[in-house]
Amino acid sequence: TAGITQAPTSQILAAGRSMTLRCTQDMRHNAMYWYRQDLGLGLRLIHYSNTAGTTGKGEVPDGYSVSRANTDDFPLTLASAVPSQTSVYFCASSDGTSGRATDTQYFGPGTRLTVL
Amino acid sequence: SQKIEQNSEALNIQEGKTATLTCNYTNYSPAYLQWYRQDPGRGPVFLLLIRENEKEKRKERLKVTFDTTLKQSLFHITASQPADSATYLCALYSTLTFGKGTMLLVSP
Repeated sequence: TAGITQAPTSQILAAGRSMTLRCTQDMRHNAMYWYRQDLGLGLRLIHYSNTAGTTGKGEVPDGYSVSRANTDDFPLTLASAVPSQTSVYFCASSDGTSGRATDTQYFGPGTRLTVL
Repeated sequence: SQKIEQNSEALNIQEGKTATLTCNYTNYSPAYLQWYRQDPGRGPVFLLLIRENEKEKRKERLKVTFDTTLKQSLFHITASQPADSATYLCALYSTLTFGKGTMLLVSP
């Protein structure tokens, strides 16, 4: 079982360009999440999806959009990248059927994005 | 809003000793608190969950306590090993809020 895969592993992007970070899980989890992790700031939630077809905003959603067309995929799009979006991005998923508060989150390996 | 605080300074201990990491939170007591381990260049990995009505939870060499009066959770690793060196994060899953993590370094 692969768990969660993210692509690309790393990317250098020119400011103003758009990019989609891909995330796929094979655990049939209902809920999926996108976080960014920055030195000194820790993990911060960008967007989440409790189930296919629904999405919600997290703590730092500005400049990012997501979609959840099916259970397995949860892409994160930067429409017009800015240098402050330089970060490591982690996708995660959880079962979501037992009640959110107790669900273990499973994280992907991350995408390191540099915006110049 | 709910905040989580972890000691930002790295904790250095010798192999065989017990490591104790602290997680403090503000405002209301969460019903559940989780601990994760993160190795450099990798995503966090779930370790333990403790409920507010549980004073203590154990898993092998790991022990977590939860004091709702102090608004604090302690994470202990007994008989620590160099392989335990990593960053440890606490998280309030109900608000999807993570602490910044504490780096643990275990010296041989």
